[in-house]
Amino acid sequence: GQNIDQPTEMTATEGAIVQINCTYQTSGFNGLFWYQQHAGEAPTFLSYNVLDGLEEKGRFSSFLSRSKGYSYLLLKELQMKDSASYLCAVRPLDRGSTLGRLYFGRGTQLTVWP
Amino acid sequence: SAVISQKPSRDICQRGTSLTIQCQVDSQVTMMFWYRQQPGQSLTLIATANQGSEATYESGFVIDKFPISRPNLTFSTLTVSNMSPEDSSIYLCSASSSGSTETQYFGPGTRLLVL
Repeated sequence: GQNIDQPTEMTATEGAIVQINCTYQTSGFNGLFWYQQHAGEAPTFLSYNVLDGLEEKGRFSSFLSRSKGYSYLLLKELQMKDSASYLCAVRPLDRGSTLGRLYFGRGTQLTVWP
Repeated sequence: SAVISQKPSRDICQRGTSLTIQCQVDSQVTMMFWYRQQPGQSLTLIATANQGSEATYESGFVIDKFPISRPNLTFSTLTVSNMSPEDSSIYLCSASSSGSTETQYFGPGTRLLVL
């Protein structure tokens, strides 16, 4: 089974840095994804980690520790438009007809204040 | 990246009826998936849509309730059968180009309200 946990809500101010944590327990692991979802819209891809360490992409960075079952998404220089739900998703180690499926955490609703 | 469209974008249906949602991808993809997102909740995987064969369903979802077709590499349908108000949700289609290593992209979703 899959167990993915992340905080329900976070708040921060414009220009600040925020770290959203995600812990997971899965039966086999083949990558962790972060998605951003604005209200009423589809999730959009932010980052992907399959090896331990930090992946940096502009204002967003994502970290993974496979031994600890832990990831975080770091958002720097926060802007109002960053207010959204951030979804942590884990891809299990699959073969055949279910290859590539994702299991999502509940999402962290981030509110950025001016 | 793949561009994914869904039809209808939203619908209001009566209980006991069925609705078929269409998902079209602008390029050939290996894997297609269907998710459900209930109000205020995250995404729950319903099934993997397999091209030319029966879909693979997750625990708690069955083919009689959610029949899925995937006749080719760019198109899939999900039917929500014999609907009840509990089926009110957003249904999202997603696709990835090679399954094992590629990012999964999502369609805009279909908002379903069952009265």
